[in-house]
Amino acid sequence: QKEVEQDPGPLSVPEGAIVSLNCTYSNSAFQYFMWYRQYSRKGPELLMYTYSSGNKEDGRFTAQVDKSSKYISLFIRDSQPSDSATYLCAMEGSKIIFGSGTRLSIRP
Amino acid sequence: GAVVSQHPSWVICKSGTSVKIECRSLDFQATTMFWYRQFPKQSLMLMATSNEGSKATYEQGVEKDKFLINHASLTLSTLTVTSAHPEDSSFYICSAPDRGGNAGANVLTFGAGSRLTVL
Repeated sequence: QKEVEQDPGPLSVPEGAIVSLNCTYSNSAFQYFMWYRQYSRKGPELLMYTYSSGNKEDGRFTAQVDKSSKYISLFIRDSQPSDSATYLCAMEGSKIIFGSGTRLSIRP
Repeated sequence: GAVVSQHPSWVICKSGTSVKIECRSLDFQATTMFWYRQFPKQSLMLMATSNEGSKATYEQGVEKDKFLINHASLTLSTLTVTSAHPEDSSFYICSAPDRGGNAGANVLTFGAGSRLTVL
């Protein structure tokens, strides 16, 4: 079993839709949870990070962590074509482990 | 914010030659940098941790003599792929942890990546 599981997609939604991206994990030692966005042929860029359980909001993005279920989510409201990218979850314990990434496409 | 510059962005080389990729932290010092490899539609696989002033720490299964890492200063780490072969063709990305403003989190700033094609 992988330490971090993420649905690879691809996920295609119309512009303006709410997008939900998710990861599950098995290591209860993870303390920090991050979401990165990666455009094609580019390095990942940090979107959000959260510590332990709870929600964090930044503009159209909301990150949610449920440590009891070992489940994290990223919600994107009012999705835009420019949000089309691969989204990687990442978790930090003794080292940082990345999910496989979900490819998201927002249709105009 | 923190910026990591990676060069070259793409390189094509012949089988058997060596290729050097540079990773620089532009506006902060990085005693540690990480080198990742990414295959198409797959996640980032950590290859090694580069430590300024000491030897790199390699992940299991990564050949130390194949992927030479040197962390010459607080702002520069290099990855040299020695005697490259077609199976070494991949996207290589470096990153550096930026703790500025992020209490406790090892948030990573990534370079733009280097696409290596070995003919």
